[in-house]
Amino acid sequence: NAGVTQTPKFQVLKTGQSMTLQCAQDMNHEYMSWYRQDPGMGLRLIHYSVGAGITDQGEVPNGYNVSRSTTEDFPLRLLSAAPSQTSVYFCASSRPGTGDGYTFGSGTRLTVV
Amino acid sequence: AQTVTQSQPEMSVQEAETVTLSCTYDTSESDYYLFWYKQPPSRQMILVIRQEAYKQQNATENRFSVNFQKAAKSFSLKISDSQLGDAAMYFCAYRAGTASKLTFGTGTRLQVTL
Repeated sequence: NAGVTQTPKFQVLKTGQSMTLQCAQDMNHEYMSWYRQDPGMGLRLIHYSVGAGITDQGEVPNGYNVSRSTTEDFPLRLLSAAPSQTSVYFCASSRPGTGDGYTFGSGTRLTVV
Repeated sequence: AQTVTQSQPEMSVQEAETVTLSCTYDTSESDYYLFWYKQPPSRQMILVIRQEAYKQQNATENRFSVNFQKAAKSFSLKISDSQLGDAAMYFCAYRAGTASKLTFGTGTRLQVTL
């Protein structure tokens, strides 16, 4: 039972480069989210999805794109990396309407230089 | 919009003692859920305990228990018999009943000393 799998675990990018953070879950969860974690700011929601083909913006969406073509996968794309995007990124998933806590991936530490 | 506030950036407790971490939240919803997550140095987010707003009884999980005061919108976490492995960041989080979004507080770093 893999749960939520995020890749890569670490990444260094140069300013202006693009990349995709991968997220996959094997629990058939309809809800998936991307968060970023910065010191003193907790976890802030970037984008979320309530099912395949449906995505919406969270609190800090600028500079990021998402898509949800399948229930299992929810990749996060950085279009043109900026130093302000240096952060730890978490993908999480949950069942809808149950009040369950989210299950989190192990996170990606991204550094933009 | 819902907000979650953790007013204690850092706390310290001696091994075997009890510590309480504070959390307040703001919502106009009547149906919601509250959570405490633990984040050890490994970075993994681990669900510690969950409370349903419609339940008056406080949730407990082994050494972890909550004090849920719905009218005051307060949701504190009590850790009894603290262990070295309890040292971590602790995040309080809120989820409206049918919503997909989880809202986090800014976290409390707990140190456990010998």
